[in-house]
Amino acid sequence: QSALTQPPSASGSPGQSVAISCTGTSSDVGGYNYVSWYQQHPGKAPKVMIYDVNKRPSGVPDRFSGSKSGNTASLTVSGLQAEDEADYYCTSYAGTNNVLFGGGTKLTVL
Amino acid sequence: EAQLVESGGGLVKPGGSLRLSCGASGFSFNNAWMSWVRQAPGKGPEWVGRIKAKTHGGTSDYAAPVKGRITISRDDSKNTLYLQLNRLKIEDTALYYCTTEGYFVGHHALDLWGQGTMVTVSS
Repeated sequence: QSALTQPPSASGSPGQSVAISCTGTSSDVGGYNYVSWYQQHPGKAPKVMIYDVNKRPSGVPDRFSGSKSGNTASLTVSGLQAEDEADYYCTSYAGTNNVLFGGGTKLTVL
Repeated sequence: EAQLVESGGGLVKPGGSLRLSCGASGFSFNNAWMSWVRQAPGKGPEWVGRIKAKTHGGTSDYAAPVKGRITISRDDSKNTLYLQLNRLKIEDTALYYCTTEGYFVGHHALDLWGQGTMVTVSS
């Protein structure tokens, strides 16, 4: 199975909103509500920001939100802050006991 | 505080083997599904495989690129997860993370990560 498709880059100014897409197929993103989003700062391990499409773990700011339509999931970061600059990855359960990652999106805060 | 600590990485020649370990603390390891994720230098993460909790059968699942060359096991008495890597290839060079899977939050979310252990395959 192929990786999920994400745009390689996204950007926005402080205070703005930015959305990052994650496109799969009906066998992964479209077939299950098990999409997660991860934030990774340089030299650090990824951290889960969104799980089950649109749920936030305790401690994650409500500026981060998730959604899904068909085979495409999205992460929206509202009220951009400098510390949001990082790489973001999506994952989806893909049946047959598999987990797929997206290729990653580098978010730049201008 | 829940924590995962990987060890066992290093430099190995193509065709060689290596066993990675991951020590867990601060949560009920025996009830957790555990996954291994690797990240090649400058690349995105890649899920490698998992082992379910014994209450869910304790079976392992592997990603297609590594199936047949790796074995994931666990010793719940030692709160330790293992990854046996065999017939290593240059493209197996990566930082290997162990993670919990869907233990703290959600379904199949990789919700607790270690700091990773580096595996370099080179002649």
